[in-house]
Amino acid sequence: AQKITQTQPGMFVQEKEAVTLDCTYDTSDQSYGLFWYKQPSSGEMIFLIYQGSYDEQNATEGRYSLNFQKARKSANLVISASQLGDSAMYFCAMIPRAYNNNDMRFGAGTRLTVKP
Amino acid sequence: NAGVTQTPKFRVLKTGQSMTLLCAQDMNHEYMYWYRQDPGMGLRLIHYSVGEGTTAKGEVPDGYNVSRLKKQNFLLGLESAAPSQTSVYFCASRLSPATYYGYTFGSGTRLTVV
Repeated sequence: AQKITQTQPGMFVQEKEAVTLDCTYDTSDQSYGLFWYKQPSSGEMIFLIYQGSYDEQNATEGRYSLNFQKARKSANLVISASQLGDSAMYFCAMIPRAYNNNDMRFGAGTRLTVKP
Repeated sequence: NAGVTQTPKFRVLKTGQSMTLLCAQDMNHEYMYWYRQDPGMGLRLIHYSVGEGTTAKGEVPDGYNVSRLKKQNFLLGLESAAPSQTSVYFCASRLSPATYYGYTFGSGTRLTVV
């Protein structure tokens, strides 16, 4: 089964600076999707960004971008121009692209704190 | 735009008691999921459903049962609660099995078993 590793339990960043949250994954599948979710202190899970394993370009969504390095099996989230509202838990997740696969696996998460 | 609604939001149970968590979605999604979130472990899949009347086991199904009698509802049951089931439970749904469809999550249920 696939495994997701987030090695940074906690990260700090100064407001307006960029920050990279690390994610590596382990899978034998050739086709898969990668996701990042944000969980603020209120508890809900908010979808941020998606990257397909065969996508040639790195995904971007506003201030979020995904630094995808397929050979290294890494899918790092980059947040540019950090804001105080970015303080939250961030989860990396992966699901194989096999049709009808329903086993999305999550990493343990990284708690990001943005300092004013 | 209710999305995915979970009830209750908080619950305290005594060991051995039973309860049912309700998940309701109004997006006509076929696929629904129950996850649990424990500190330092991320989210783990308990059970899921690919359509009305179907259920399947996920990564950590022991001690839980589920039912999907109506397309919009997915129920998670604990027949005899144990302290190890203290967790935050999330329901999620998605429209299609296509990989690029992310999940829409409910706001979670915080369950404490004493």
